[in-house]
Amino acid sequence: EIVLTQSPGTLSLSPGERVTLSCRASQTVISNYLAWYQQKPGQAPRLLIYGASSRATGIPDRFSGSGSGTDFSLTITRLEPEDFAVYCCQQYGSAPLTFGGGTTVEIK
Amino acid sequence: EVQLLESGGGLVQPGGSLRLSCAASGFTFSSYAMTWVRQAPGKGLEWVSSIRGSGGNTYYPDSVKGRFTISRDSSKNTLYLQMNNLRVEDTAVYYCAKNPTVGGHGDYYFDYWGQGTLVTVSS
Repeated sequence: EIVLTQSPGTLSLSPGERVTLSCRASQTVISNYLAWYQQKPGQAPRLLIYGASSRATGIPDRFSGSGSGTDFSLTITRLEPEDFAVYCCQQYGSAPLTFGGGTTVEIK
Repeated sequence: EVQLLESGGGLVQPGGSLRLSCAASGFTFSSYAMTWVRQAPGKGLEWVSSIRGSGGNTYYPDSVKGRFTISRDSSKNTLYLQMNNLRVEDTAVYYCAKNPTVGGHGDYYFDYWGQGTLVTVSS
């Protein structure tokens, strides 16, 4: 089973700042099959990125994904008020599908 | 507009059973793989089960294999999760999620999610 470790656990930032979130896999993620989701309290997750770097439909271009192998990242170039949420990565290259524990981006 | 509406959650005793449903609309249901993902209170997401668009192939992690059964009825555009021999650790919000295609390799991420239904296993 591939374990995904996200760091840091929580980030306190201000609107307008740039942030990069990390997702590290315990084994190589096949074909860079890695997705990122955003989740707000009481809501379902929302797909942001798939294939490590492809933006999902309707996702603003301030969100970008990068990385390969075991190290992946999600960057938000300029935080908007609606971006404060939990961000979670998921690998889908190997069974079982696994998710990271999430990084909370909170307002400073 | 894609919509996924889960139902069937509730309180059940350990060892009991429950069947969750997910009513889908806004897309050709039979053409897409579907998945159940759960989230225990205050915890991260956990994959529970997937079924290919054809309904012929199903997938489970070891934590639920032999206890949970995923199925679909394309005539009703509905996804199901039959949960038997429930344990306290199965307590979670259960989300129904749509895969982006029929369910080939590389298609097990999720482009639409329902709002979830809460399952509580407690005596």
